[in-house]
Amino acid sequence: GAVVSQHPSWVICKSGTSVKIECRSLDFQATTMFWYRQFPKQSLMLMATSNEGSKATYEQGVEKDKFLINHASLTLSTLTVTSAHPEDSSFYICSARDLLAYNEQFFGPGTRLTVL
Amino acid sequence: DAKTTQPNSMESNEEEPVHLPCNHSTISGTDYIHWYRQLPSQGPEYVIHGLTSNVNNRMASLAIAEDRKSSTLILHRATLRDAAVYYCLAAWGKLTFGQGTILTVHP
Repeated sequence: GAVVSQHPSWVICKSGTSVKIECRSLDFQATTMFWYRQFPKQSLMLMATSNEGSKATYEQGVEKDKFLINHASLTLSTLTVTSAHPEDSSFYICSARDLLAYNEQFFGPGTRLTVL
Repeated sequence: DAKTTQPNSMESNEEEPVHLPCNHSTISGTDYIHWYRQLPSQGPEYVIHGLTSNVNNRMASLAIAEDRKSSTLILHRATLRDAAVYYCLAAWGKLTFGQGTILTVHP
């Protein structure tokens, strides 16, 4: 159990385009999901907290208009990178917190974004 | 989140026990201690978590100091598949990752 999926697993896009990444909890409900990014040889950096049915909370320094987050259901959150540029190229990872187990958080496999 | 301090790297031989230490001296009473591990180009994998008492599961054991200012993740018999970056976090709610410990397992 406790499986989180992400789609796509990798994406290559041209500079200026927008890219949507989906995060799904497959076998549990998650009122809260988190989005991270990770650059090569670095740790995960928390970008935002996504709560079902409400606006996301962004960490300091993360542009909310650039990284649009939608959490429309208890099993799905999406991250849209708008007008992507090469510096947005990174490994994006989501995690989901089990509604019934507040202190258990499970991570997706990640999405590799490359912006040309 | 409480700040955690871990060694940058550790090495072990296959089939030997591994003790991965973590200091979290500013931990608050409601913070849980979490351990995750990550392989290259993969998302973090949950290992174990606990609050005050030692915890065991099929993957590892977690030994928590009585004052909760430190903890140790114990892999009882390391395998090559255990080579990864291990992250220790002390938090209630959102998880903020530090640099972790790179574990190398030698055959």
